[in-house]
Amino acid sequence: KQEVTQIPAALSVPEGENLVLNCSFTDSAIYNLQWFRQDPGKGLTSLLLIQSSQREQTSGRLNASLDKSSGRSTLYIAASQPGDSATYLCAVSFGGGADGLTFGKGTHLIIQP
Amino acid sequence: SQTIHQWPATLVQPVGSPLSLECTVEGTSNPNLYWYRQAAGRGLQLLFYSVGIGQISSEVPQNLSASRPQDRQFILSSKKLLLSDSGFYLCAWTRQGRETQYFGPGTRLLVL
Repeated sequence: KQEVTQIPAALSVPEGENLVLNCSFTDSAIYNLQWFRQDPGKGLTSLLLIQSSQREQTSGRLNASLDKSSGRSTLYIAASQPGDSATYLCAVSFGGGADGLTFGKGTHLIIQP
Repeated sequence: SQTIHQWPATLVQPVGSPLSLECTVEGTSNPNLYWYRQAAGRGLQLLFYSVGIGQISSEVPQNLSASRPQDRQFILSSKKLLLSDSGFYLCAWTRQGRETQYFGPGTRLLVL
């Protein structure tokens, strides 16, 4: 059974800091990996998608990396802001383009003003 | 642009009652459609996915079922709800292929 683990489960940092969220997966035969953001009581917002052939993707202050061989991905957030406070979810597609995603339990991030 | 709708937003139902949650996608055709559930203290779990009208794949055996009567409509149903069915139900879509999944706003279901 494929599993996705996210560390840490919760993180609280002062505004302006750079931070790294970690995601690991048990099966290296992935098709793609996505990072999402979830605000309380809301749906998921896609942040970055990394195909299995890619090493990293960047969007604004966000950078996601992928190391298939070690089964790891990181989400780097630069110059954090209070508006970045949310739960960040890592999800992996294992079974192919049509199959659903396997999610980690998320990292609950609080940015202190 | 594409949008995804879910309704109702919130639902409180007694144990043993039926359930019907609806999801529709606008602005695209022949999407892959997905139902997920997020239960308290647990991660998001894939329940069903569909690659076309009438084609449903189930990931988790339970008292829920899904149907896709139209290309951009995905319905989650139950004949008799259990307490354990409580949770946050999310619908998602993606274009055919290995692309980004887009999620709807979700339906919060409380079974009492």
